[in-house]
Amino acid sequence: KAGVTQTPRYLIKTRGQQVTLSCSPISGHRSVSWYQQTPGQGLQFLFEYFSETQRNKGNFPGRFSGRQFSNSRSEMNVSTLELGDSALYLCASSGGTGGESGELFFGEGSRLTVL
Amino acid sequence: KNEVEQSPQNLTAQEGEFITINCSYSVGISALHWLQQHPGGGIVSLFMLSSGKKKHGRLIATINIQEKHSSLHITASHPRDSAVYICAVDGNKLVFGAGTILRVKS
Repeated sequence: KAGVTQTPRYLIKTRGQQVTLSCSPISGHRSVSWYQQTPGQGLQFLFEYFSETQRNKGNFPGRFSGRQFSNSRSEMNVSTLELGDSALYLCASSGGTGGESGELFFGEGSRLTVL
Repeated sequence: KNEVEQSPQNLTAQEGEFITINCSYSVGISALHWLQQHPGGGIVSLFMLSSGKKKHGRLIATINIQEKHSSLHITASHPRDSAVYICAVDGNKLVFGAGTILRVKS
């Protein structure tokens, strides 16, 4: 069974640009969640999607957005990039339903550097 | 005060030692996760708990919902256990602890 796949693995952008990251969950998983990991703030929850609907959102500005497609693949977008957006962006898929996350399966992450 | 507190922040052990990592939280939760992250590596889910105790091999996780506390134990520690261990609580969204950096020396 293939794991969670994130693309691209590494990318470099400049301030003011925008970026789109992709996450393909484990087959059959309908929940996809996104996280930002930085040395200073650690892991922080961005948002969670279940069956194409955003179920929860973390405390991030509106520049951070996401969506989920009918095949459960998800994308997140960051517009007007700032230096502080440099981070490892992780997605996780889960077979959980209802209100709780279920066991999480993480991708390898997309490492974004903003210059 | 952070919603999720882990202790210790850093831990060095000799191979074979029994290790305990603690996690305390202040919010109501439906589940608690223990995660493992190796340097430069991805994150692996070790346990998801909503009550009681779970065991996988040399790893044991317990949770006390009333006391809002969970522990991760590693028996007969090995250098390959060296990693960052992260506690995450699931209220209506996941909130993470800062992690415990574990180094096991041979």
